[in-house]
Amino acid sequence: DAGITQSPRHKVTETGTPVTLRCHQTENHRYMYWYRQDPGHGLRLIHYSYGVKDTDKGEVSDGYSVSRSKTEDFLLTLESATSSQTSVYFCAISEGTGGSYGYTFGSGTRLTVV
Amino acid sequence: KNEVEQSPQNLTAQEGEFITINCSYSVGISALHWLQQHPGGGIVSLFMLSSGKKKHGRLIATINIQEKHSSLHITASHPRDSAVYICAVTDNQFYFGTGTSLTVIP
Repeated sequence: DAGITQSPRHKVTETGTPVTLRCHQTENHRYMYWYRQDPGHGLRLIHYSYGVKDTDKGEVSDGYSVSRSKTEDFLLTLESATSSQTSVYFCAISEGTGGSYGYTFGSGTRLTVV
Repeated sequence: KNEVEQSPQNLTAQEGEFITINCSYSVGISALHWLQQHPGGGIVSLFMLSSGKKKHGRLIATINIQEKHSSLHITASHPRDSAVYICAVTDNQFYFGTGTSLTVIP
């Protein structure tokens, strides 16, 4: 979807190095989310943001931090990457929470930690 | 514990067959979503529904709130329908199923 882009699309990094993934939206949606997708698991929420500088943890937040200094950008940082963080990461945006709001997903970032 | 269970996990069908994917959930919800993910691709929203039935082309989604169950049907399946189909439910947060991998053989 053109309204949300993730970068990079693919990245290979070494254990112990910091990594930042970027999610950029042009929809002016309030809510932004970072998920990871692993075989055998549904999408799992890492962190989410409900406004500029307003963020909160999801169910798998250990080892990750986020920042949102502008409405359009939501950054996910792995301070010191580990092999267990090898995954596909998806960003999503939404106008609001609750049943009347849908999600738009980015195309994903495939991260490999070696 | 999984709040959302999908069945089957994997499904192979011949082109033209009628396909059903099931989703059961255990939490109170305000809406249920069906998502599609092509291999190596992003995730696309197919349906969002809170009651009854919705139809889009060859895709039909139904939900029974009392039974906490939803089905996604594909009529006249085609190889381009090959993808992972994910059920997700939401109230104030999303719960995702692990997906059903569909392969349609020509």
